[in-house]
Amino acid sequence: KAGVTQTPRYLIKTRGQQVTLSCSPISGHRSVSWYQQTPGQGLQFLFEYFSETQRNKGNFPGRFSGRQFSNSRSEMNVSTLELGDSALYLCASSAGTLVESPLHFGNGTRLTVT
Amino acid sequence: SQQGEEDPQALSIQEGENATMNCSYKTSINNLQWYRQNSGRGLVHLILIRSNEREKHSGRLRVTLDTSKKSSSLLITASRAADTASYFCATDGNSGGSNYKLTFGKGTLLTVNP
Repeated sequence: KAGVTQTPRYLIKTRGQQVTLSCSPISGHRSVSWYQQTPGQGLQFLFEYFSETQRNKGNFPGRFSGRQFSNSRSEMNVSTLELGDSALYLCASSAGTLVESPLHFGNGTRLTVT
Repeated sequence: SQQGEEDPQALSIQEGENATMNCSYKTSINNLQWYRQNSGRGLVHLILIRSNEREKHSGRLRVTLDTSKKSSSLLITASRAADTASYFCATDGNSGGSNYKLTFGKGTLLTVNP
C-alpha cells in the first residue's frame, strides 16, 4: 500500500498570501488529521476529518481551515499568512474511528513565510 | 498545552548501549503511543499501549505504562546508529472516545554514536 502523500514538499510564501496544502491518505483510511510542527511549540493538533466531517479542532485561529473530499483526500488552507505560520505541516491518516489505531504520517509540507 | 512531556530532552549514547526515555502526562488516557521522527520527515508509529496494559514489547523496544504515576517509558535495547531520531509520546486523553486527536510531547532527541 502506498503511504500518506503530502504535496507540495516545500513551499515559500509571502506574508498576507494564502496557501493550500494537500494530503492523500492510505487507501481505505477514512480519518485524516493535520498537525503543525515548530521548534518552539512542538506538534500541535489542527483538525481531524472523518467521512468529510470535521470531528475535532485544535486551538488555531480561523485563518486555518480544512476539508475532506469523498475519496478521503484532504486539504488544509491558511489565509493571510503570518511569519509565525512557518512550520512543518504534517498530515496523518488512520484506519480506526477512535484514537485506538496508530496514525500514519506523511513526510510533511515545509512552509516558509517571508 | 502539551499533554505528554518527555525526559530527557536529549540523550547521546554509544552503539550497543540501551536508551531509556520517559514520558509523563496529565490527564487520564485510553492509550499511549510512541512515535519516531527522523530529521525533517514524518513520524513513524512504534508502539501503542492501552491503559489496562503495563508492559509491551516489539522487537528491541519495550514500553511500560504506570497509570497511577501517569508515566511511561520507552527502552531501546542494543541501540544502532539508525536509531538516531526524535522520539515522541502521544496520548489520546480519555473523553469516552469522542476525542479524535493525539496530544504529543516535545520529544527526546536520541543520538547513537557509532
